[in-house]
Amino acid sequence: GEEVAQTPKHLVRGEGQKAKLYCAPIKGHSYVFWYQQVLKNEFKFLISFQNENVFDETGMPKERFSAKCLPNSPCSLEIQATKLEDSAVYFCASSQSPLLAEGPIEQFFGPGTRLTVL
Amino acid sequence: AQKVTQAQTEISVVEKEDVTLDCVYETRDTTYYLFWYKQPPSGELVFLIRRNSFDEQNEISGRYSWNFQKSTSSFNFTITASQVVDSAVYFCALRLYNTDKLIFGTGTRLQVFP
Repeated sequence: GEEVAQTPKHLVRGEGQKAKLYCAPIKGHSYVFWYQQVLKNEFKFLISFQNENVFDETGMPKERFSAKCLPNSPCSLEIQATKLEDSAVYFCASSQSPLLAEGPIEQFFGPGTRLTVL
Repeated sequence: AQKVTQAQTEISVVEKEDVTLDCVYETRDTTYYLFWYKQPPSGELVFLIRRNSFDEQNEISGRYSWNFQKSTSSFNFTITASQVVDSAVYFCALRLYNTDKLIFGTGTRLQVFP
């Protein structure tokens, strides 16, 4: 598609429950990024993919967070045993070629998934 | 370490006023990219501009203009004749040449009153 799509728009989970978020990048974009926005202002990078391969996962709290981008499927971000501090808006972004100086390298963001952990 | 600072937490102006949003960045890299994004109340992030470190030419797009100064590590954003629809949180971001992730500032909330 022409836009990054994210589902669901809102997700409510009780503490300790699992949460799974989905992202469909813009058609033709081979790079996918996940960011967490807490307190409405602070963005934290979580993970990036080049096609189905993890490119950079330095921001992922690995003990409970996992992510995948499989061929012909939306990308997913899963949180096992959610905690109150996981409450945030999770943004997915996609871009064409973030490592090259030539060509557009902007990251285009989806509308976000608001996760509320009670 | 890399860092983006947006010292203005919130700015309020009356419609038709000009307003400048400040962005100061820190990096030791010589090649990098700077971005501005707009986040309206609806929550989505809208890309506004990208600037390469080797291109210091200022840019104007309609009522928007950007002033990139490497000497002061600043990439400021000016809205001329502001409108109510400009009310949003504006984020400045930095990306290094050999990495992919964006490093965001904490944003500036702009409120434009009629």
